Amino acid sequence: QKEVEQDPGPLSVPEGAIVSLNCTYSNSAFQYFMWYRQYSRKGPELLMYTYSSGNKEDGRFTAQVDKSSKYISLFIRDSQPSDSATYLCAIQGDDYKLSFGAGTTVTVRA
Amino acid sequence: GAVVSQHPSWVICKSGTSVKIECRSLDFQATTMFWYRQFPKQSLMLMATSNEGSKATYEQGVEKDKFLINHASLTLSTLTVTSAHPEDSSFYICSARPGPARAFFGQGTRLTVV
Repeated sequence: QKEVEQDPGPLSVPEGAIVSLNCTYSNSAFQYFMWYRQYSRKGPELLMYTYSSGNKEDGRFTAQVDKSSKYISLFIRDSQPSDSATYLCAIQGDDYKLSFGAGTTVTVRA
Repeated sequence: GAVVSQHPSWVICKSGTSVKIECRSLDFQATTMFWYRQFPKQSLMLMATSNEGSKATYEQGVEKDKFLINHASLTLSTLTVTSAHPEDSSFYICSARPGPARAFFGQGTRLTVV
């Protein structure tokens, strides 16, 4: 079993729709939860990070963590074509190493 | 957010030669940096942890003699792919963090070995 499971998609939505992404993890020792956006041939860009259960909002992005279920989510409201990218969840333990999900490829259709 | 700069962004080299990739933290000091490899349409695979002033820690299955890592200062780590072969062609990415969370990544280096 992988440490972090993420559906690779692809996911295609119309412009303006809500994009919903999620990951599950197996190690309850994980402490920090991050979402990255990666455009083709570029390094990942940090979108959100959190360390506690609950919601964290930043503009059109909301990150949600449920430690009891070992489940994390990212929601993108009012999606734009420029949001088309691969989204990676990443989870960190106390050794500072990141465990990545497979990444979900999202296309927002104009 | 913090800035991590990676150079070069792409490189083509002949089989048997060595290639050096630099990773710099521009606005913070990083005692630890990480090197990843990414194959097309796949996620990032951690290769090694680079520690300033000491030896790097390599993940299982990564050849330390093939991928030489030097972390000579608090803002610079280098990855040298020695005696490169076509199977080493990949996208290499470094990361560093200014604190316990929030790892920031370089823009990546696309290596093509011909």
